[in-house]
Amino acid sequence: AQKVTQAQTEISVVEKEDVTLDCVYETRDTTYYLFWYKQPPSGELVFLIRRNSFDEQNEISGRYSWNFQKSTSSFNFTITASQVVDSAVYFCALSEEANRDDKIIFGKGTRLHILP
Amino acid sequence: DVKVTQSSRYLVKRTGEKVFLECVQDMDHENMFWYRQDPGLGLRLIYFSYDVKMKEKGDIPEGYSVSREKKERFSLILESASTNQTSMYLCASSWDGIYGYTFGSGTRLTVV
Repeated sequence: AQKVTQAQTEISVVEKEDVTLDCVYETRDTTYYLFWYKQPPSGELVFLIRRNSFDEQNEISGRYSWNFQKSTSSFNFTITASQVVDSAVYFCALSEEANRDDKIIFGKGTRLHILP
Repeated sequence: DVKVTQSSRYLVKRTGEKVFLECVQDMDHENMFWYRQDPGLGLRLIYFSYDVKMKEKGDIPEGYSVSREKKERFSLILESASTNQTSMYLCASSWDGIYGYTFGSGTRLTVV
């Protein structure tokens, strides 16, 4: 069965610290896609990244980086030198290619507080 | 700029009222979804639709119905609003789930 687990419900760090948000997934499919979304206080979920199961290269985008490890079924998200604007709820999600109903499975989210 | 638009950001309704939440997308997406978001429970799928006039139940459809008369519009209906339906409601659309969803800004509904 497909499942996404974000074990960290809430994290608080002081501004400029690095922080890693954990995501562990379960799937039987060999072809799947992983996502991270950010939900700021305004409410809209904003797409951050999409990764397919055949691409295990880590990705960096500015202060954001993602570590995809199939061996541990994890897709962790690190924010370097955090800023107050990074305060949000972050969702990890999974979509399986074999699952043709097009549903994405979301984790329950991690609420991140960046303290000034 | 592609968009999913939810008609109201904040809504207050009385118990027993019939409530309509509207969602419109301009991306010609086939698939549309309604979620509710509650603290500690994450996003829970209420209903989804793959095509006009088609609808499928999600994980928590009780107390809700939907309507999709046009491809771009997906409405969520609370037949008789109750206080336990106070929540944040999020609409999303997609061309294919493997490319992810585009979300609206959400409607925060309070039922009093």
